[in-house]
Amino acid sequence: GESVGLHLPTLSVQEGDNSIINCAYSNSASDYFIWYKQESGKGPQFIIDIRSNMDKRQGQRVTVLLNKTVKHLSLQIAATQPGDSAVYFCAENSNTGFQKLVFGTGTRLLVSP
Amino acid sequence: DGGITQSPKYLFRKEGQNVTLSCEQNLNHDAMYWYRQDPGQGLRLIYYSQIVNDFQKGDIAEGYSVSREKKESFPLTVTSAQKNPTAFYLCASSTTGSAFHMNTEAFFGQGTRLTVV
Repeated sequence: GESVGLHLPTLSVQEGDNSIINCAYSNSASDYFIWYKQESGKGPQFIIDIRSNMDKRQGQRVTVLLNKTVKHLSLQIAATQPGDSAVYFCAENSNTGFQKLVFGTGTRLLVSP
Repeated sequence: DGGITQSPKYLFRKEGQNVTLSCEQNLNHDAMYWYRQDPGQGLRLIYYSQIVNDFQKGDIAEGYSVSREKKESFPLTVTSAQKNPTAFYLCASSTTGSAFHMNTEAFFGQGTRLTVV
């Protein structure tokens, strides 16, 4: 859904664990979804994307799952490393008229050695 | 290299002054966006532009203004009407492909941190 300035939820994991970050979206017309990683003091960087005609897509150590029935998106990070510590945002891009990116609130991932 | 550049990285403003944040991209993207990020919070959309000479208000446009005279440039002015301007400002650009197969991921600049002194 749209960011409304709420404080970020935090996920704390140990190095080597698998991490799962969740995101709920609001627009059933959205057909393209993106996960971004933002390190402190920097702009968000693209991680992985998925289209609505898919329910799973895998990258290097990351997997995105899409459940259109409940409008839910998740990012799975395998073997989490300290360098994965960052804020993770999902974004949705509706296919109705102008494709404005709408960002979720974000989740802070903290990885302990 | 292709990319999106914001300047300056840090900006200090006195109360009552207007300041303009620069955003330039050489990715040939039609769409550009400005977001505001407060500490520990998500991204909030200020303004966006689909095409040259056109722009739309986002969720928190009050106290801000933009222009889009050139495709590669989308400057943001933080006016004195913005009551709490201290924040991290992010500019982004993307394609606006209407075809389903076209990717429309946004590319972000490195941000401008604005502080009111």
